[in-house]
Amino acid sequence: SAVISQKPSRDICQRGTSLTIQCQVDSQVTMMFWYRQQPGQSLTLIATANQGSEATYESGFVIDKFPISRPNLTFSTLTVSNMSPEDSSIYLCSVETQGDQPQHFGDGTRLSIL
Amino acid sequence: QKEVEQNSGPLSVPEGAIASLNCTYSDRVSQSFFWYRQYSGKSPELIMSIYSNGDKEDGRFTAQLNKASQYVSLLIRDSQPSDSATYLCAVNRQGGSEKLVFGKGTKLTVNP
Repeated sequence: SAVISQKPSRDICQRGTSLTIQCQVDSQVTMMFWYRQQPGQSLTLIATANQGSEATYESGFVIDKFPISRPNLTFSTLTVSNMSPEDSSIYLCSVETQGDQPQHFGDGTRLSIL
Repeated sequence: QKEVEQNSGPLSVPEGAIASLNCTYSDRVSQSFFWYRQYSGKSPELIMSIYSNGDKEDGRFTAQLNKASQYVSLLIRDSQPSDSATYLCAVNRQGGSEKLVFGKGTKLTVNP
């Protein structure tokens, strides 16, 4: 399966700042997704990263707060903007290598906001 | 009704026993079903996928799907302490590249 590298693996940030998380795959993939996993909770999809166009956001998530880029078939970024303590979560990138194939996850980014 | 429901557990079984994890889903058009294992502090790892009714076996793991009952389960035979993790059930609501909806997960502990 594809090797998914996510950076940074963890960070501690100040309230009001922004952080960009990168997801790099070692091969071209059809789909890339960004999830959030709040402490003790399951995974919630933030958005689908679309190559060359605006991401598709799930209910409750907006582009101003979570801008996403996907310039090509192997790379995507998620920015968490104007962070507050409620944004403290694990953020996970997942990819689907071909249509109808299961998603595989990167190692995640543990984000803490003070 | 939640889209994907799992018993949160914790589920505790002795080493060597069969662990049974259950999941129900609400959307009848769901077509793809997955079990992920998540160790504490780690990201989810795919362990099983199942797409048609019946059983699918892979080593010590067996996934069972019953679309009429909207039910999917995971059996772990000969449970090992290394199986101790949270198991997440995920459902793809439509065929193709559609989003996964996750259950809250069942925490499994296998006692030596």
